[in-house]
Amino acid sequence: AQSVTQLDSHVSVSEGTPVLLRCNYSSSYSPSLFWYVQHPNKGLQLLLKYTSAATLVKGINGFEAEFKKSETSFHLTKPSAHMSDAAEYFCVVMDRFGNEKLTFGTGTRLTIIP
Amino acid sequence: KAGVTQTPRYLIKTRGQQVTLSCSPISGHRSVSWYQQTPGQGLQFLFEYFSETQRNKGNFPGRFSGRQFSNSRSEMNVSTLELGDSALYLCASSPVEGYYGYTFGSGTRLTVV
Repeated sequence: AQSVTQLDSHVSVSEGTPVLLRCNYSSSYSPSLFWYVQHPNKGLQLLLKYTSAATLVKGINGFEAEFKKSETSFHLTKPSAHMSDAAEYFCVVMDRFGNEKLTFGTGTRLTIIP
Repeated sequence: KAGVTQTPRYLIKTRGQQVTLSCSPISGHRSVSWYQQTPGQGLQFLFEYFSETQRNKGNFPGRFSGRQFSNSRSEMNVSTLELGDSALYLCASSPVEGYYGYTFGSGTRLTVV
């Protein structure tokens, strides 16, 4: 069975300061991990993905995440927040063998303070 | 290239009615999945189709069904609508398998009154 825990339901940062969104996962197999972003009244956009290649993954808009197997974590970071980063962020896990089901975390709402 | 297209964008239905939602995947994508998003339950997996076959199914009642056509377009149907079926329904597509990431559509907002 697979599961995801997003440790913060809401994160607020000032514009220009670093962003850290935390995610822990559980998976029976070698997982694929993703971060998706959802702006209000929009669908989900893929930010980045880990599929067992490099453990430090770079995504779009300056975001990156590090896969740490020993800690079962996949935290999302960005060095400098921008107003346009305000959105809901979802950490997602998928078992890699034969189970085409994404399991979503409950989401972290990111607020950017001007 | 065109993204995942879902129609209609908005729907209002009455309890007891049925509804059909449509999804056109990215050209060349053969796997299509459906998800339900609600404030209370978050994002939940409904089902996944590949080459017209349902490969995976989530924990939803039989009122929720789907199908995929030979051109990979997919439809989902909900019969005997309940107020709790009000949600954003999202469709996602992937070339073959999803572990390289799914591309999502903008969703269909269903309101049941």
